[in-house]
Amino acid sequence: SQTIHQWPATLVQPVGSPLSLECTVEGTSNPNLYWYRQAAGRGLQLLFYSVGIGQISSEVPQNLSASRPQDRQFILSSKKLLLSDSGFYLCAWSFNRGNTEAFFGQGTRLTVV
Amino acid sequence: AQSVTQLDSHVSVSEGTPVLLRCNYSSSYSPSLFWYVQHPNKGLQLLLKYTSAATLVKGINGFEAEFKKSETSFHLTKPSAHMSDAAEYFCVVSEAGGNKLVFGAGTILRVKS
Repeated sequence: SQTIHQWPATLVQPVGSPLSLECTVEGTSNPNLYWYRQAAGRGLQLLFYSVGIGQISSEVPQNLSASRPQDRQFILSSKKLLLSDSGFYLCAWSFNRGNTEAFFGQGTRLTVV
Repeated sequence: AQSVTQLDSHVSVSEGTPVLLRCNYSSSYSPSLFWYVQHPNKGLQLLLKYTSAATLVKGINGFEAEFKKSETSFHLTKPSAHMSDAAEYFCVVSEAGGNKLVFGAGTILRVKS
């Protein structure tokens, strides 16, 4: 069966510091991978998605970037965090076929202070 | 572009009474639709999905949803609420081509004892 791991679960970082959140998927190959951000009362916003190694699509202009160095690894990064980057970040994967559901990690609560 | 509208940001029911969470979608083609549930500070769990088979879809924990094309609706129901159902619920539509999911703003369900 497939599993998704996302870490860390919580993170407190000062403004201006770098960020690296990691997500890995096991038990499948060539998945679609996603990073979402959830701000209080605002639902889920898709930040990045990837259909293959090195293929990253950005949905919104922002202070973050994503990379997919391996087939089942997806990394969310920032060089300098802003207060507005605080939120709940969720990694997800789906099978690489149309109209299919996504499976989510447990999320990372990021607080920028 | 596809979109979903969750008609209620908050719903409050008493334990043992029916639950109705409303969702309307907009899509230029036959969509796939999903309902997810999120407990506080947790990832999202798939409740059920509609992918052009039976219009009445049964999911986990006694939930079900009915796809009504004429009304562009996909409302989530449960005959009898349990305290453990208190959570946030998201209605989701897959985008054309199926690589991205579009989330509604969410409905917070409160269950009173």
